[in-house]
Amino acid sequence: GAVVSQHPSWVICKSGTSVKIECRSLDFQATTMFWYRQFPKQSLMLMATSNEGSKATYEQGVEKDKFLINHASLTLSTLTVTSAHPEDSSFYICSASGGETTEAFFGQGTRLTVV
Amino acid sequence: GQNIDQPTEMTATEGAIVQINCTYQTSGFNGLFWYQQHAGEAPTFLSYNVLDGLEEKGRFSSFLSRSKGYSYLLLKELQMKDSASYLCAVMDSNYQLIWGAGTKLIIKP
Repeated sequence: GAVVSQHPSWVICKSGTSVKIECRSLDFQATTMFWYRQFPKQSLMLMATSNEGSKATYEQGVEKDKFLINHASLTLSTLTVTSAHPEDSSFYICSASGGETTEAFFGQGTRLTVV
Repeated sequence: GQNIDQPTEMTATEGAIVQINCTYQTSGFNGLFWYQQHAGEAPTFLSYNVLDGLEEKGRFSSFLSRSKGYSYLLLKELQMKDSASYLCAVMDSNYQLIWGAGTKLIIKP
């Protein structure tokens, strides 16, 4: 299957700082990328959908000014958590789809801890 | 509204067979996915069904009935490493994935 690389795998940051998470499709062009977050023992929750070259579409209840998503190229999308707070601590996962398949391939996930 | 239902938790014995069911109600249908997720890791793709019937892939098989809004994931010859959460997801008419809450599968020796 296709490879999606997410970086970093884990990050600890201080409250009030910003953190950037990268999601790269290594061997295909990702026309659409999805960002999810997952709290312990809960299902994946879609945060936003981004199409290359256009603004991301955020799900209801997700603050677009806090979770900045950029999808500037067909192989890279970034999620920046601005002014992070301890309640933003979670597992963030990206997935990418594109080409001839509707299958979505997942990155490895990023565990964010805000202290 | 849209919803995906699957059991919260199941227990099975090593070497046995287990069937994890998933029922769905969505606005449109563009395929059903099964993912495996080990604790602390991202989900990994297991199967994709868009037509009715059974898809077999090694020890794992997935079945779909679109008229009944029903799918199951069948795991044979269970191994301890199969202990994980299994997520059912449906792609709706907008090509968005609607996720179930996942079924935690516990394998006992």
